[in-house]
Amino acid sequence: NAGVTQTPKFRVLKTGQSMTLLCAQDMNHEYMYWYRQDPGMGLRLIHYSVGEGTTAKGEVPDGYNVSRLKKQNFLLGLESAAPSQTSVYFCASSYWRPSNTEAFFGQGTRLTVV
Amino acid sequence: TQLLEQSPQFLSIQEGENLTVYCNSSSVFSSLQWYRQEPGEGPVLLVTVVTGGEVKKLKRLTFQFGDARKDSSLHITAAQPGDTGLYLCAAHNTNAGKSTFGDGTTLTVKP
Repeated sequence: NAGVTQTPKFRVLKTGQSMTLLCAQDMNHEYMYWYRQDPGMGLRLIHYSVGEGTTAKGEVPDGYNVSRLKKQNFLLGLESAAPSQTSVYFCASSYWRPSNTEAFFGQGTRLTVV
Repeated sequence: TQLLEQSPQFLSIQEGENLTVYCNSSSVFSSLQWYRQEPGEGPVLLVTVVTGGEVKKLKRLTFQFGDARKDSSLHITAAQPGDTGLYLCAAHNTNAGKSTFGDGTTLTVKP
């Protein structure tokens, strides 16, 4: 049981380059999330999805786009990378039921923009 | 937006000591979760609390949800080096369909 898998694990980009981070989950979860984690700032929600074909903005959506064409995949895109987007990115998935809201996280993608 | 404040931000103690970390907000939560994150890994769920005044125990860890469901605490008894990590609380707003995380408490337990 792989859980939540993120690719790639590390990436260095030059300012202005674009890239896509892939998240895949095999738990049939309805909800998926992209967070960024910076030192001393915990996890901040970028975008999330409550189901296939739907996405919504989180706390810090600017500079990012997402797509969820299949229930098991959630893609995070950076169209024109900036140094301020240097961070560790985590994908998570969960059910959303009153009795079960546990989020399962991937191992993270460490992105450096130079 | 629910703002979660965790304290202390950093805590360094000796093996065998007890400690308490806190998670506070001015808003009422539908439920609250505590996660632990080790370096290079994603957060892993420790517990979910739902009912005001609820107390849950997980071996040497005791979690308490405030009566008004606005705050929570995590108490560790006889800390061990394996408890070292970042402890995050997350509040759930059922209507919003998303969670808000606190900034975390970084715990270091020295042998």
